Amino acid sequence: DTAVSQTPKYLVTQMGNDKSIKCEQNLGHDTMYWYKQDSKKFLKIMFSYNNKELIINETVPNRFSPKSPDKAHLNLHINSLELGDSAVYFCASRSLPQETQYFGPGTRLLVL
Amino acid sequence: AQTVTQSQPEMSVQEAETVTLSCTYDTSENNYYLFWYKQPPSRQMILVIRQEAYKQQNATENRFSVNFQKAAKSFSLKISDSQLGDTAMYFCAFIPTSGTYKYIFGTGTRLKVLA
Repeated sequence: DTAVSQTPKYLVTQMGNDKSIKCEQNLGHDTMYWYKQDSKKFLKIMFSYNNKELIINETVPNRFSPKSPDKAHLNLHINSLELGDSAVYFCASRSLPQETQYFGPGTRLLVL
Repeated sequence: AQTVTQSQPEMSVQEAETVTLSCTYDTSENNYYLFWYKQPPSRQMILVIRQEAYKQQNATENRFSVNFQKAAKSFSLKISDSQLGDTAMYFCAFIPTSGTYKYIFGTGTRLKVLA
């Protein structure tokens, strides 16, 4: 059974388009995250939700908007895509009390 | 500010040998958790090992073990009997137990196991 899943796994699109990435976890965790991994493999936190409430909102362009319809889902919508948005986007959830993060398989986004 | 430093961008090791990846961190917190994650070419982030700062005993998971030195703020990962499948990026990460939700990750070490 997949613990944290993301769709799609690959996304190729043109500059200026709007796209969404979906994330779902079946672990019963309350807290979920979005990370961006650039070409140098650096992991940068973007957002976190705890039980549908936004708790971390790093310095991210407002073209990026997360949405959490329930605590098992955290989606990421990106407006007006730019070349610099090309990266791998990871969703993760956090277990308590172990404080361990479980990651999804990642979504590779390529903006042309 | 809390930081995690991985000073070795790239390392290589011969198959069956032992290799140690270094990680240092900076925090004023007393209680926290430390992690090593592995990211193979498949790009999946996989938890390798986890250490609770209040436990003095070093964590081990099969061929993976850590050397946790709290006073020195050091958390190195030792991989014994290296296998080709260990080839991956390795990330050190940290989170205090003081109610924050933010994990701090290092910049990663790319490990190549040579046949």
